[in-house]
Amino acid sequence: DTAVSQTPKYLVTQMGNDKSIKCEQNLGHDTMYWYKQDSKKFLKIMFSYNNKELIINETVPNRFSPKSPDKAHLNLHINSLELGDSAVYFCASSQWQGFVKNIQYFGAGTRLSVL
Amino acid sequence: AQKITQTQPGMFVQEKEAVTLDCTYDTSDPSYGLFWYKQPSSGEMIFLIYQGSYDQQNATEGRYSLNFQKARKSANLVISASQLGDSAMYFCAMREGSSNFGNEKLTFGTGTRLTIIP
Repeated sequence: DTAVSQTPKYLVTQMGNDKSIKCEQNLGHDTMYWYKQDSKKFLKIMFSYNNKELIINETVPNRFSPKSPDKAHLNLHINSLELGDSAVYFCASSQWQGFVKNIQYFGAGTRLSVL
Repeated sequence: AQKITQTQPGMFVQEKEAVTLDCTYDTSDPSYGLFWYKQPSSGEMIFLIYQGSYDQQNATEGRYSLNFQKARKSANLVISASQLGDSAMYFCAMREGSSNFGNEKLTFGTGTRLTIIP
């Protein structure tokens, strides 16, 4: 059983379209995240949710809107896609284990290509 | 300033040799955690090992160990007896202490691409 699953794995779309990426975790974790990995493999946090509440919202354009219907799901909706949005998007989850020991488990990533 | 620095963009190592991947970090927070992740060519991010700033012993997980030198702010990953399947990108990451649930972002380094030569 996949612990953190993302769909789709690949997403190819035209500029200006709206698309969503779904993420589900079956680990019973209370926190979920979205990270973006650019073409140089650099990973950066975008959002985090704890028990459906938005906690971290880094300086991400408001075309990106995360939604957490329950603590096992965190979806990412992107409006008006731009060429610069092309990247690999990772979902991750973790369970509170104290102030620093928080191991984040990642999904397999969604490779988004905007043409 | 970079919070996590990985100075080796690429490394080539002979199979069965040990390899050390460097990571230095910068934080003024006394409470932090350090993580290593592996990203094979298939793309997924795999958690390898964790070290807490207050841990007295260096972390070990199978063939992976973390050489934690707190005064030097370094957290190097050591892979013993390297295998062909170890070829991948390796990322060092840090999570600084926080009192808020969910405010637990990881800051990543730029990664090291490790290639194991048969």
